Amino acid sequence: GVTQSPTHLIKTRGQQVTLRCSSQSGHNTVSWYQQALGQGPQFIFQYYRKEENGRGNFPPRFSGLQFPNDSSELNVNALELDDSALYLCASSPQLGSDNEQFFGPGTRLTVL
Amino acid sequence: AQKVTQAQTEISVVEKEDVTLDCVYETRDTTYYLFWYKQPPSGELVFLIRRNSFDEQNEISGRYSWNFQKSTSSFNFTITASQVVDSAVYFCALSEINTGTASKLTFGTGTRLQVTL
Repeated sequence: GVTQSPTHLIKTRGQQVTLRCSSQSGHNTVSWYQQALGQGPQFIFQYYRKEENGRGNFPPRFSGLQFPNDSSELNVNALELDDSALYLCASSPQLGSDNEQFFGPGTRLTVL
Repeated sequence: AQKVTQAQTEISVVEKEDVTLDCVYETRDTTYYLFWYKQPPSGELVFLIRRNSFDEQNEISGRYSWNFQKSTSSFNFTITASQVVDSAVYFCALSEINTGTASKLTFGTGTRLQVTL
């Protein structure tokens, strides 16, 4: 399945953070979502074959990488208190919205 | 812009009761997908169903059933004979139909279902 690390993370305002996601085997598309407490997940961006393939309403300090083994990173610079959330990644076997997305358990980020 | 509204924040039922979770959506797209996901306390989103906007047939899967009504932009989810294991947060979501990307899901705010003995 999809795995994410770390499980929990505490940072202070202004710091930078890197979250990691390992896609399900054979999946070449990964999406990242931010879920604030009591809210539904919000789409951050999506990567396909190492290129960003769509972005939601998030500022440039949210950036990503996708590696040849289809694992992925989400980087957030200059952390703000509102960045505290559960960050979920989801992988799909290929492009096309008729392909199911498989979600990981998430990384809970707390910004103090 | 797409929007999904789940007006019920929390629902509490006693085991074996039936419960319906409401979902209303807005989209300018003429074709789209609708989804339901379950999020247990572990945090992982579990896929329950995807429905194409072309298909308004109701669907039943075991104790779960879904009622899609395009005329009212609703996609409601019913659990029959609820069980304690059904306790979770349930999300309704919407995405455009696109061959060039994986689904970019627009989620509602979720309904927390608590099933007690």
